[in-house]
Amino acid sequence: QQKVQQSPESLSVPEGGMASLNCTSSDRNFQYFWWYRQHSGEGPKALMSIFSDGDKKEGRFTAHLNKASLHVSLHIRDSQPSDSALYFCAASEGNYAQGLTFGLGTRVSVFP
Amino acid sequence: DPKIIQKPKYLVAVTGSEKILICEQYLGHNAMYWYRQSAKKPLEFMFSYSYQKLMDNQTASSRFQPQSSKKNHLDLQITALKPDDSATYFCASSQDGQGRDTQYFGPGTRLLVL
Repeated sequence: QQKVQQSPESLSVPEGGMASLNCTSSDRNFQYFWWYRQHSGEGPKALMSIFSDGDKKEGRFTAHLNKASLHVSLHIRDSQPSDSALYFCAASEGNYAQGLTFGLGTRVSVFP
Repeated sequence: DPKIIQKPKYLVAVTGSEKILICEQYLGHNAMYWYRQSAKKPLEFMFSYSYQKLMDNQTASSRFQPQSSKKNHLDLQITALKPDDSATYFCASSQDGQGRDTQYFGPGTRLLVL
């Protein structure tokens, strides 16, 4: 079983709409979480990090973390065609120079 | 200007050969990483270096050897290539390797082993 699971696998959102992505971890050692976005043919780009319970907002993106349930979500409001991409949730225990554990990703498609 | 450079962008190799993937970062970071992305699999962490020292190795095979000639370089040598090694390899870096440091990824090298 993967330690970081994402849902849904894919998501279609109308332009201007809200996209909601979910991420659940099965490892209680994970303390730090990130959301990454990857456009086709490019490397993953960090969108935002979240380390504390609650909401964190950056522009059109809002992340929510519930450490008790090990659940992280990402909400994209006013979705744009450029938001069409593969979104990854990544987690870390926080040890020095530790690699991130990624989920399989959610593919978001924004249609006009 | 790209801050993390990976060369080449595409690489085709024959089974049994050896290749070196190049990574240079110009972010002034002290920690560097290698990841692999294969179809139907999550991004997989391979190695981490901090101040040119190996910190973590999660690859099971000794065919994969990182090489750090300079602080901002972390190359990946792959020997005795197999078709299963076909994947996109990403280099990443972070400020100091602290647990909460964000890792920034390069554009990747897509390797195809025939």
